[in-house]
Amino acid sequence: KAGVTQTPRYLIKTRGQQVTLSCSPISGHRSVSWYQQTPGQGLQFLFEYFSETQRNKGNFPGRFSGRQFSNSRSEMNVSTLELGDSALYLCASSLSAGTGQETQYFGPGTRLLVL
Amino acid sequence: GIQVEQSPPDLILQEGANSTLRCNFSDSVNNLQWFHQNPWGQLINLFYIPSGTKQNGRLSATTVATERYSLLYISSSQTTDSGVYFCAVQRWGTDKLIFGTGTRLQVFP
Repeated sequence: KAGVTQTPRYLIKTRGQQVTLSCSPISGHRSVSWYQQTPGQGLQFLFEYFSETQRNKGNFPGRFSGRQFSNSRSEMNVSTLELGDSALYLCASSLSAGTGQETQYFGPGTRLLVL
Repeated sequence: GIQVEQSPPDLILQEGANSTLRCNFSDSVNNLQWFHQNPWGQLINLFYIPSGTKQNGRLSATTVATERYSLLYISSSQTTDSGVYFCAVQRWGTDKLIFGTGTRLQVFP
């Protein structure tokens, strides 16, 4: 069974631009979560989706948004990019409906550099 | 919110040595996972261990939920064990993972 896939793997943008990142979960998984990893803040939770509904949101500004499609694929969007948005963005999938009892499987991540 | 602390922050070992990594959490949790982040950034699942002890080859993990800590044991270290090890906890009713700050392990030949 294929793992979690994320596209693109690397991205360079300039301040003020917007970016869209994509995540395809493991086949059969319906829950997708997103995380941001930076050297200063570590791994921080962005969003959690299940059945096209956002179940939980982390403490990030409104420039960060996401959505989930009927096939469970998810996208996240960052508008008006800032230098501090440079990070590794990781996506995870699981079977569960957010019970907190399922193993989370991570994709390889998207490295975003904002210049 | 719940706090997750890992120790030590850095660990340098020679190949063949054993090590113990610790994860403390400040409140009751529903689940705990250990991950290894490879040099390319991918988080690899090691253990799903809300309580008890599990073993997988040279690695084993123990979680004592009532005392709010988990331990990851690495025996006979290999250079391929190098990387950052994270523990992460989950509360009831959400898939949200709360990560610790990680332990950076370097294994030299």
